[in-house]
Amino acid sequence: DGGITQSPKYLFRKEGQNVTLSCEQNLNHDAMYWYRQDPGQGLRLIYYSQIVNDFQKGDIAEGYSVSREKKESFPLTVTSAQKNPTAFYLCASSIEGREGTDTQYFGPGTRLTVL
Amino acid sequence: SQKIEQNSEALNIQEGKTATLTCNYTNYSPAYLQWYRQDPGRGPVFLLLIRENEKEKRKERLKVTFDTTLKQSLFHITASQPADSATYLCAIGGYQKVTFGIGTKLQVIP
Repeated sequence: DGGITQSPKYLFRKEGQNVTLSCEQNLNHDAMYWYRQDPGQGLRLIYYSQIVNDFQKGDIAEGYSVSREKKESFPLTVTSAQKNPTAFYLCASSIEGREGTDTQYFGPGTRLTVL
Repeated sequence: SQKIEQNSEALNIQEGKTATLTCNYTNYSPAYLQWYRQDPGRGPVFLLLIRENEKEKRKERLKVTFDTTLKQSLFHITASQPADSATYLCAIGGYQKVTFGIGTKLQVIP
């Protein structure tokens, strides 16, 4: 089955701890994205990557870091510098990521709760 | 500033009727606009894409219109069913990234 997976589905962490969210895709897509979704707000772009070993900040990158060492994987680290980390995190991929015609394929999401 | 507006209030309609959702945008000149469906606790799923030179696009019971003069897209679901109940997001495509609206929650009542 082709698709995009995120793990875990639910994650709890204590304040001040870094946490890494996993995102893997077997669609052979070049571009990958991380979004954050909060109640009453649209999806907000955190980071995106169009190619291995390259990534760009999105609209709300502060307090987050990413890596893209493999085409299939784009993990997101939520650092202790992120002031309001509790949210629903969505990973997505698309074929190229250069044009708005690219359909985005989303993973099931990870709900992070910081206690 | 750039803005995408969708009615944040839920839309309730009777089964069998046509649901119409609105997406308005300001300070964009999008070449493309997309619609996605999102169920609670899940990631969005792509439904339709319409280009600026297309007035209308259809897929089964779905229809999307795109009026670049009004800066508006309408999303229609005909013969709505309870299974159509979900949140529908519009998204504007730009270079290298897509910007999403807040979404409109649709509830189809049996």
